[in-house]
Amino acid sequence: SQTIHQWPATLVQPVGSPLSLECTVEGTSNPNLYWYRQAAGRGLQLLFYSVGIGQISSEVPQNLSASRPQDRQFILSSKKLLLSDSGFYLCAGTREDLTGKLFFGSGTQLSVL
Amino acid sequence: RKEVEQDPGPFNVPEGATVAFNCTYSNSASQSFFWYRQDCRKEPKLLMSVYSSGNEDGRFTAQLNRASQYISLLIRDSKLSDSATYLCVLRDTGRRALTFGSGTRLQVQP
Repeated sequence: SQTIHQWPATLVQPVGSPLSLECTVEGTSNPNLYWYRQAAGRGLQLLFYSVGIGQISSEVPQNLSASRPQDRQFILSSKKLLLSDSGFYLCAGTREDLTGKLFFGSGTQLSVL
Repeated sequence: RKEVEQDPGPFNVPEGATVAFNCTYSNSASQSFFWYRQDCRKEPKLLMSVYSSGNEDGRFTAQLNRASQYISLLIRDSKLSDSATYLCVLRDTGRRALTFGSGTRLQVQP
């Protein structure tokens, strides 16, 4: 079965500091991968998705970037964090058949202070 | 208009009650529909897909009304463990990413 490993679980960072969140995938090859953010009491906002190595699509203009250096690795980064970057970040993936059923990592709670 | 709209709730119901949530969507080209469940500060988990003819999984029944562009989730005989946020999710034709509603919070009380 497909598994997404995401770390760290919680992160507290000062404004202006860099960010790197990583997720890795097991149990499937060539997945579509996604980064979502969930603000407190809100729904999931799609930030980036990737259909393959080096292929990144951005859904919203923002302070963040994403990279996919390997088939099963997806990284979310920022050079300088803003207060508004605080939230619950989720890495997710779908299988090749694009059924739309997502499997999620356990999430990273980021607090920017 | 938002792509997916849900009543945020909370819906406070006693154990054993029947409760229903609706979710409306704006894009008539939406192709696939799902209900996900999310516990506080946890990742969402797929509850069930929603099929045009309606489908049932134990105490849960999902329905799709394409003409009115909404989907529904009915929970019978609510349990305390059903307390969670229920997310309406859809996939549009030609889009690879899923679109999530902001969720409806359910609190089942003893």
